[in-house]
Amino acid sequence: QKEVEQNSGPLSVPEGAIASLNCTYSDRGSQSFFWYRQYSGKSPELIMSIYSNGDKEDGRFTAQLNKASQYVSLLIRDSQPSDSATYLCAVNVNPDMRFGAGTRLTVKP
Amino acid sequence: SQTIHQWPATLVQPVGSPLSLECTVEGTSNPNLYWYRQAAGRGLQLLFYSVGIGQISSEVPQNLSASRPQDRQFILSSKKLLLSDSGFYLCAWNTRENQPQHFGDGTRLSIL
Repeated sequence: QKEVEQNSGPLSVPEGAIASLNCTYSDRGSQSFFWYRQYSGKSPELIMSIYSNGDKEDGRFTAQLNKASQYVSLLIRDSQPSDSATYLCAVNVNPDMRFGAGTRLTVKP
Repeated sequence: SQTIHQWPATLVQPVGSPLSLECTVEGTSNPNLYWYRQAAGRGLQLLFYSVGIGQISSEVPQNLSASRPQDRQFILSSKKLLLSDSGFYLCAWNTRENQPQHFGDGTRLSIL
C-alpha cells in the first residue's frame, strides 16, 4: 500500500465551479498534512497546512482533515483558469514527508 | 525572510560524467534539508535528508550521494551519471520535521 494516495486525475472543472481533491494516507501517527500546487515545469508551492481534524479555510481554499478515516481533502471554490496545475498531497512521516503522485487539475474558461 | 537558492536551473550531461548540484538556504539556522527527484509526470522521490552538518540519511540506494559541509549548504553529487538519473531535482528545507517544506526552483537534469 502506498503511503499517500491521491484520487487519479486528470480532473477538469468549468470556471467558477468547486474542485475537490482527495488524499488518503497509511501512517496513523502522522500529525501534519499539506497541500502543494505545482505548475508545469515549476517547483511545488505550499498552499495549505492542516494539523487538526476539521476544516481550515484560506480564501478560496478549504482543507479538510479526518484522522480517523486517514483522509485529507482540498476544496477550491470559484475555480479559476490560473488554478490549473498539479496538486500534491503531503503527509509528515517522521522524520521526513511523503508525497502523493499528484492530481492534475484543469479549469476550463 | 528565508530564501532557498538552487543551481544550476538546467543541466545537460553525458552518461558517465560527474554531477554536482548545490543548494543554499538563507535567513534561518540549522534547517532540515532535503533532496528530491521528480521524474516526468511522476511524484516526488525523497533521495536524501539532513538534520545537521555532516548528518546525511539516504532513502534510496543508488549512484548519488549528498553532503552538508556547512549549516545551510546541501550538495548532491554523482561520480558517474546514468541515463536513469534524468529528472527534476528539488532541494527543500524546513525548521522541524512536522513543519511544511519549502522548495527551491529546481534543476532540470538531462542525461545524453
